[in-house]
Amino acid sequence: DQQVKQNSPSLSVQEGRISILNCDYTNSMFDYFLWYKKYPAEGPTFLISISSIKDKNEDGRFTVFLNKSAKHLSLHIVPSQPGDSAVYFCAASALRETGANNLFFGTGTRLTVIP
Amino acid sequence: DTGVSQDPRHKITKRGQNVTFRCDPISEHNRLYWYRQTLGQGPEFLTYFQNEAQLEKSRLLSDRFSAERPKGSFSTLEIQRTEQGDSAMYLCASSLAGLNDGGELFFGEGSRLTVL
Repeated sequence: DQQVKQNSPSLSVQEGRISILNCDYTNSMFDYFLWYKKYPAEGPTFLISISSIKDKNEDGRFTVFLNKSAKHLSLHIVPSQPGDSAVYFCAASALRETGANNLFFGTGTRLTVIP
Repeated sequence: DTGVSQDPRHKITKRGQNVTFRCDPISEHNRLYWYRQTLGQGPEFLTYFQNEAQLEKSRLLSDRFSAERPKGSFSTLEIQRTEQGDSAMYLCASSLAGLNDGGELFFGEGSRLTVL
């Protein structure tokens, strides 16, 4: 049973425009959310995170928004650059329940930024 | 290179054989994780070590799977009597602190297993 869902397997965006990647979750115990980026032949690398006590977290060109009532989060990349082309994974954890040792990942969205 | 190192990068084996993967975490990291990723899926948690103690195991980790971290440094993941369904990328990650302490998981490049 997929507790973290990324319903868009792929997304193409023009360079300089905004990329919006979406993620939905079903487990109401999740209270910590992360985005990872993965290039081919490499392991996932951490990008940005957000705690459930916040609804927005920003780091440079990357902003994550959390809507707890809708169990939805999104990653905005502005402006998008060709180097952002990668697979993006949404992940979630229930810090209070599992002790933060178990991340649940979505299936990923492949972002292509067109120069 | 001081990142997470995994060996071998690729392993092809016949069904029924045993395989072992090794993970060398970042040297000062006391926490180590194993994940499995199949085609078209995200990584799935398998097990977690803090130092040499295996503190969590997923239900995905059947009796044919065993993981060790004998001295709290490198770890091995052994799969006995491999099945075709074991074909996947096995990812190792390490961290200095837990997520609830602001820790960040650093992943290795993975060990790809193909069971014929």
